[in-house]
Amino acid sequence: QKEVEQDPGPLSVPEGAIVSLNCTYSNSAFQYFMWYRQYSRKGPELLMYTYSSGNKEDGRFTAQVDKSSKYISLFIRDSQPSDSATYLCAMTLPKEYKYIFGTGTRLKVLA
Amino acid sequence: SAVISQKPSRDICQRGTSLTIQCQVDSQVTMMFWYRQQPGQSLTLIATANQGSEATYESGFVIDKFPISRPNLTFSTLTVSNMSPEDSSIYLCSQARPDDTQYFGPGTRLTVL
Repeated sequence: QKEVEQDPGPLSVPEGAIVSLNCTYSNSAFQYFMWYRQYSRKGPELLMYTYSSGNKEDGRFTAQVDKSSKYISLFIRDSQPSDSATYLCAMTLPKEYKYIFGTGTRLKVLA
Repeated sequence: SAVISQKPSRDICQRGTSLTIQCQVDSQVTMMFWYRQQPGQSLTLIATANQGSEATYESGFVIDKFPISRPNLTFSTLTVSNMSPEDSSIYLCSQARPDDTQYFGPGTRLTVL
């Protein structure tokens, strides 16, 4: 079993839709959770960074962590064609720099 | 955010040769990292580049294959040695910020024939 599982997609949605991207993980000690966006032929760009359980909102993006279920989500409201990219989740242990990444979900927002 | 540059952005190399990838960051940071991103797979940490000392390698990666230098706090190189087609991948450097987040460079796309 992989430490972090993420559906590779592709996920296709119409413009304006609410998108839900998810990751599950097996190590209950993970405490920091990140979401990265990666456009084709570019490096990953940090979108959201959350600590422990709860929600964090930044503009159209909301990150949610449910440690009891070992499940994290990224919601994108009013999705735009410019949101079309691969979204990677990552997590790490306390006081550790090593990030464990999911394989990424490819999102296509159709105009 | 952070400004991180990598050279080259892409290369096509012959089997058995070596390629050195450079990474430059815009501020002095303690921690720099090298990752590999193979098609359909997650980013995998190769090693932590330590300034003034030998890099710390993850399980499955060895210094003879991936020698790393870090002569100062803003620059690092990764060499992919004696390449084979299995080394075809995207190689990314990252820097750790004081808030423990990591920012990534644009990547080097390597194809080995």
